[in-house]
Amino acid sequence: EIVLTQSPGTLSLSPGERATLSCRASQSVSSSYLAWYQQKPGQAPRLLIYGASSRATGIPDRFSGSGSGTDFTLTISRLEPEDFAVYYCQQYGSSAWTFGQGTKVEIK
Amino acid sequence: EVQLVQSGAEVKKPGESLKISCKGSGYSFTSYWIGWVRQMPGKGLEWMGIIYPGDSDTRYSPSFQGQVTISADKSISTAYLQWSSLKASDTAMYYCARLGRMWGNFDYWGQGTLVTVSS
Repeated sequence: EIVLTQSPGTLSLSPGERATLSCRASQSVSSSYLAWYQQKPGQAPRLLIYGASSRATGIPDRFSGSGSGTDFTLTISRLEPEDFAVYYCQQYGSSAWTFGQGTKVEIK
Repeated sequence: EVQLVQSGAEVKKPGESLKISCKGSGYSFTSYWIGWVRQMPGKGLEWMGIIYPGDSDTRYSPSFQGQVTISADKSISTAYLQWSSLKASDTAMYYCARLGRMWGNFDYWGQGTLVTVSS
């Protein structure tokens, strides 16, 4: 099973700042099968990025994804108040799906 | 509009059985896999298993194999997650989610079903 490790656990930033979230895999992941989700309190997760770098429908362009192999990054270029949430990476491989443990982006 | 609507919150005692549901609409239910994801209180997301309603092909995470059963009734566009004997450690929010066609991601999610197991 591929293990995804996200860092940092918590990111304390101010609105307007840039957020950089990391997702590292225990073995190589196909870029086609790496996704990012946002989850706000009391809500279901929402798909942000699929295929490592493609934005899902309706996702603002301040969200971007990059990376390959074992290292992937989600960047939020300028934090808006509604972006403070928990973010999860997820991969698919060998008929199994795994999630990272999440990064919480909180208001500083 | 694609929607996944889950059944309501449940409060059960240890040892009881339970079946929760996820009804899909707005798309061809038999053409997309439906996955189940657990979120324990204050914790992250865990993939439990997945089913293809078209032929009921089912896969389980090793962590959940034998602990739950996933099924589907395509005639009513509904997927299910069931337990035969609940434990307190099954207390969690459970989400169903549709697997997108090409990229191995879950593109639409249900609103979640909170299961509380307490004596």
